[in-house]
Amino acid sequence: ETGVTQTPRHLVMGMTNKKSLKCEQHLGHNAMYWYKQSAKKPLELMFVYNFKEQTENNSVPSRFSPECPNSSHLFLHLHTLQPEDSALYLCASSQDLLYEGQGPRGFGYTFGSGTRLTVV
Amino acid sequence: AQTVTQSQPEMSVQEAETVTLSCTYDTSESNYYLFWYKQPPSRQMILVIRQEAYKQQNATENRFSVNFQKAAKSFSLKISDSQLGDTAMYFCAFMKIRNSGGYQKVTFGTGTKLQVIP
Repeated sequence: ETGVTQTPRHLVMGMTNKKSLKCEQHLGHNAMYWYKQSAKKPLELMFVYNFKEQTENNSVPSRFSPECPNSSHLFLHLHTLQPEDSALYLCASSQDLLYEGQGPRGFGYTFGSGTRLTVV
Repeated sequence: AQTVTQSQPEMSVQEAETVTLSCTYDTSESNYYLFWYKQPPSRQMILVIRQEAYKQQNATENRFSVNFQKAAKSFSLKISDSQLGDTAMYFCAFMKIRNSGGYQKVTFGTGTKLQVIP
Protein backbone atom coordinates (compact mmCIF):
# COMPACT_ATOMS: atom_id res chain seq x y z
CA GLU A 1 0.00 0.00 0.00
CA THR A 2 1.43 3.33 -1.02
CA GLY A 3 -0.37 5.47 1.53
CA VAL A 4 -2.47 7.33 -1.06
CA THR A 5 -5.66 5.55 -2.07
CA GLN A 6 -7.93 6.64 -4.91
CA THR A 7 -11.41 5.37 -5.66
CA PRO A 8 -12.92 4.37 -7.96
CA ARG A 9 -10.19 2.90 -10.14
CA HIS A 10 -12.32 3.23 -13.27
CA LEU A 11 -15.34 5.41 -13.95
CA VAL A 12 -17.55 5.72 -17.01
CA MET A 13 -20.06 8.51 -16.91
CA GLY A 14 -22.45 10.27 -19.22
CA MET A 15 -22.21 13.98 -19.87
CA THR A 16 -25.23 14.69 -17.69
CA ASN A 17 -24.12 12.60 -14.73
CA LYS A 18 -22.73 13.76 -11.41
CA LYS A 19 -19.98 11.70 -9.82
CA SER A 20 -17.16 12.15 -7.33
CA LEU A 21 -13.58 10.95 -7.16
CA LYS A 22 -12.09 10.26 -3.76
CA CYS A 23 -8.52 10.42 -2.50
CA GLU A 24 -7.31 9.45 0.94
CA GLN A 25 -3.82 9.64 2.45
CA HIS A 26 -2.55 8.29 5.75
CA LEU A 27 0.96 9.69 5.57
CA GLY A 28 0.42 12.74 7.74
CA HIS A 29 1.01 15.01 4.76
CA ASN A 30 -0.51 18.47 4.78
CA ALA A 31 -0.76 19.20 1.06
CA MET A 32 -2.90 17.36 -1.47
CA TYR A 33 -3.13 17.76 -5.23
CA TRP A 34 -5.32 16.82 -8.19
CA TYR A 35 -3.56 16.25 -11.51
CA LYS A 36 -5.00 15.41 -14.91
CA GLN A 37 -2.95 13.04 -17.07
CA SER A 38 -3.74 12.92 -20.78
CA ALA A 39 -1.82 11.01 -23.43
CA LYS A 40 1.27 12.76 -24.80
CA LYS A 41 0.80 15.80 -22.54
CA PRO A 42 2.56 16.78 -19.32
CA LEU A 43 0.66 16.23 -16.13
CA GLU A 44 -1.65 19.19 -15.60
CA LEU A 45 -1.97 20.53 -12.08
CA MET A 46 -5.64 21.22 -11.35
CA PHE A 47 -5.97 22.03 -7.67
CA VAL A 48 -3.80 22.27 -4.58
CA TYR A 49 -4.93 22.16 -0.98
CA ASN A 50 -2.44 23.09 1.73
CA PHE A 51 -3.60 22.57 5.30
CA LYS A 52 -7.15 22.08 3.94
CA GLU A 53 -7.14 25.48 2.25
CA GLN A 54 -7.31 25.69 -1.52
CA THR A 55 -4.16 27.50 -2.54
CA GLU A 56 -4.23 26.98 -6.27
CA ASN A 57 -6.83 26.57 -8.99
CA ASN A 58 -5.20 26.37 -12.38
CA SER A 59 -8.05 27.82 -14.45
CA VAL A 60 -9.98 24.60 -14.18
CA PRO A 61 -13.56 24.69 -15.58
CA SER A 62 -16.28 24.92 -12.98
CA ARG A 63 -17.60 21.48 -13.94
CA PHE A 64 -14.75 20.23 -11.71
CA SER A 65 -15.31 21.07 -8.06
CA PRO A 66 -12.77 20.07 -5.39
CA GLU A 67 -13.47 19.52 -1.74
CA CYS A 68 -11.03 18.96 1.11
CA PRO A 69 -12.89 18.30 4.37
CA ASN A 70 -9.69 17.47 6.28
CA SER A 71 -6.00 17.04 5.56
CA SER A 72 -6.43 13.30 4.86
CA HIS A 73 -9.26 13.41 2.34
CA LEU A 74 -9.69 15.08 -1.01
CA PHE A 75 -12.61 14.86 -3.40
CA LEU A 76 -13.16 15.92 -6.98
CA HIS A 77 -16.83 16.42 -7.80
CA LEU A 78 -17.72 16.08 -11.46
CA HIS A 79 -20.81 17.31 -13.30
CA THR A 80 -21.78 17.89 -16.92
CA LEU A 81 -18.38 16.79 -18.17
CA GLN A 82 -17.29 16.76 -21.79
CA PRO A 83 -15.69 13.88 -23.72
CA GLU A 84 -12.36 15.76 -23.71
CA ASP A 85 -12.35 15.46 -19.93
CA SER A 86 -11.66 11.74 -20.32
CA ALA A 87 -8.25 11.15 -18.74
CA LEU A 88 -6.43 9.63 -15.80
CA TYR A 89 -6.95 11.74 -12.68
CA LEU A 90 -4.14 11.45 -10.20
CA CYS A 91 -4.14 12.49 -6.58
CA ALA A 92 -0.88 13.22 -4.78
CA SER A 93 0.18 14.37 -1.35
CA SER A 94 3.29 15.93 0.11
CA GLN A 95 4.68 17.24 3.34
CA ASP A 96 5.32 20.93 3.70
CA LEU A 97 9.05 20.88 3.12
CA LEU A 98 10.79 24.10 3.56
CA TYR A 99 10.56 26.35 6.55
CA GLU A 100 12.34 29.63 6.91
CA GLY A 101 15.65 29.03 8.57
CA GLN A 102 15.69 25.31 7.82
CA GLY A 103 17.26 23.44 4.97
CA PRO A 104 15.19 21.95 2.13
CA ARG A 105 14.31 18.29 2.16
CA GLY A 106 12.59 17.83 -1.19
CA PHE A 107 10.85 14.48 -0.88
CA GLY A 108 8.50 15.07 -3.79
CA TYR A 109 5.03 13.67 -4.10
CA THR A 110 3.40 10.41 -3.12
CA PHE A 111 0.82 9.48 -5.75
CA GLY A 112 -2.28 7.36 -5.81
CA SER A 113 -3.00 4.91 -8.62
CA GLY A 114 -5.43 7.26 -10.28
CA THR A 115 -9.00 7.07 -11.56
CA ARG A 116 -9.39 6.33 -15.25
CA LEU A 117 -12.34 8.49 -16.27
CA THR A 118 -14.25 8.00 -19.51
CA VAL A 119 -16.95 10.47 -20.45
CA VAL A 120 -19.43 9.16 -23.00
CA ALA B 1 7.67 29.57 -15.55
CA GLN B 2 9.59 26.33 -15.63
CA THR B 3 9.44 23.86 -18.49
CA VAL B 4 10.61 20.27 -18.66
CA THR B 5 11.33 18.57 -21.99
CA GLN B 6 11.67 14.86 -22.65
CA SER B 7 12.54 14.46 -26.31
CA GLN B 8 12.28 10.66 -26.47
CA PRO B 9 8.62 9.57 -26.49
CA GLU B 10 9.55 5.88 -26.63
CA MET B 11 12.65 3.78 -26.08
CA SER B 12 13.47 0.11 -25.84
CA VAL B 13 16.36 -1.80 -24.31
CA GLN B 14 17.40 -5.42 -24.07
CA GLU B 15 17.18 -7.02 -20.68
CA ALA B 16 20.45 -6.66 -18.70
CA GLU B 17 21.67 -3.78 -20.86
CA THR B 18 21.97 -0.09 -20.02
CA VAL B 19 19.71 2.69 -21.23
CA THR B 20 19.77 6.46 -20.78
CA LEU B 21 16.67 8.65 -20.78
CA SER B 22 17.11 12.34 -21.56
CA CYS B 23 15.60 15.37 -19.88
CA THR B 24 16.24 19.07 -20.23
CA TYR B 25 14.61 21.88 -18.32
CA ASP B 26 14.42 25.60 -18.41
CA THR B 27 14.44 27.78 -15.31
CA SER B 28 15.87 30.99 -13.96
CA GLU B 29 15.99 29.55 -10.44
CA SER B 30 19.28 28.58 -8.85
CA ASN B 31 17.91 26.37 -6.10
CA TYR B 32 15.59 23.51 -6.99
CA TYR B 33 15.05 19.76 -7.04
CA LEU B 34 14.85 17.40 -9.98
CA PHE B 35 13.10 14.05 -9.94
CA TRP B 36 12.54 10.98 -12.05
CA TYR B 37 9.22 9.23 -11.54
CA LYS B 38 8.26 5.83 -12.89
CA GLN B 39 4.69 4.93 -13.86
CA PRO B 40 4.24 1.21 -14.60
CA PRO B 41 1.05 -0.21 -16.14
CA SER B 42 -0.42 -0.31 -12.64
CA ARG B 43 -0.50 3.53 -12.96
CA GLN B 44 1.19 4.10 -9.60
CA MET B 45 3.67 6.95 -9.98
CA ILE B 46 6.76 6.02 -7.99
CA LEU B 47 9.68 8.25 -7.15
CA VAL B 48 12.83 6.71 -8.62
CA ILE B 49 15.51 9.24 -7.79
CA ARG B 50 15.93 12.88 -6.84
CA GLN B 51 18.72 15.43 -7.16
CA GLU B 52 19.26 18.66 -5.27
CA ALA B 53 20.54 21.38 -7.58
CA TYR B 54 23.02 22.66 -5.01
CA LYS B 55 24.76 19.28 -4.91
CA GLN B 56 27.31 18.65 -7.63
CA GLN B 57 27.49 14.92 -6.97
CA ASN B 58 25.15 12.88 -9.14
CA ALA B 59 22.48 10.94 -7.26
CA THR B 60 22.40 7.14 -7.42
CA GLU B 61 19.85 4.58 -6.25
CA ASN B 62 20.94 1.02 -6.87
CA ARG B 63 20.72 0.49 -10.67
CA PHE B 64 19.49 4.03 -11.28
CA SER B 65 21.79 7.02 -11.59
CA VAL B 66 21.57 10.50 -13.01
CA ASN B 67 23.86 12.74 -14.98
CA PHE B 68 23.09 16.23 -13.74
CA GLN B 69 24.60 19.05 -15.78
CA LYS B 70 23.40 22.25 -14.14
CA ALA B 71 24.91 24.69 -16.60
CA ALA B 72 23.43 22.78 -19.53
CA LYS B 73 20.14 22.27 -17.63
CA SER B 74 20.25 18.59 -18.39
CA PHE B 75 19.16 15.73 -16.13
CA SER B 76 19.41 12.29 -17.72
CA LEU B 77 18.53 8.97 -16.09
CA LYS B 78 20.70 5.90 -16.58
CA ILE B 79 19.27 2.47 -15.87
CA SER B 80 21.87 -0.26 -15.60
CA ASP B 81 21.22 -4.01 -15.88
CA SER B 82 17.68 -3.34 -17.16
CA GLN B 83 14.99 -5.65 -15.86
CA LEU B 84 11.55 -6.52 -17.20
CA GLY B 85 10.02 -4.69 -14.23
CA ASP B 86 11.60 -1.47 -15.45
CA THR B 87 9.07 -1.36 -18.29
CA ALA B 88 7.11 1.84 -17.59
CA MET B 89 6.60 5.48 -18.42
CA TYR B 90 9.33 7.64 -16.94
CA PHE B 91 8.65 11.27 -16.09
CA CYS B 92 11.25 13.91 -15.42
CA ALA B 93 10.10 16.61 -12.99
CA PHE B 94 11.27 19.95 -11.61
CA MET B 95 10.45 21.50 -8.26
CA LYS B 96 11.32 25.05 -7.27
CA ILE B 97 12.26 25.52 -3.66
CA ARG B 98 9.89 27.93 -1.96
CA ASN B 99 11.73 30.06 0.56
CA SER B 100 8.60 30.82 2.53
CA GLY B 101 7.52 27.20 2.89
CA GLY B 102 4.24 25.80 1.70
CA TYR B 103 3.26 23.20 -0.81
CA GLN B 104 5.49 21.90 -3.53
CA LYS B 105 4.73 22.85 -7.10
CA VAL B 106 6.17 20.27 -9.47
CA THR B 107 6.43 20.62 -13.24
CA PHE B 108 6.47 17.37 -15.22
CA GLY B 109 7.70 16.45 -18.68
CA THR B 110 5.62 14.50 -21.21
CA GLY B 111 7.25 11.20 -20.33
CA THR B 112 9.32 8.51 -22.05
CA LYS B 113 7.80 5.08 -22.53
CA LEU B 114 10.49 2.48 -21.86
CA GLN B 115 10.08 -1.12 -23.00
CA VAL B 116 12.52 -3.73 -21.68
CA ILE B 117 12.77 -6.61 -24.14
CA PRO B 118 13.52 -10.11 -22.85
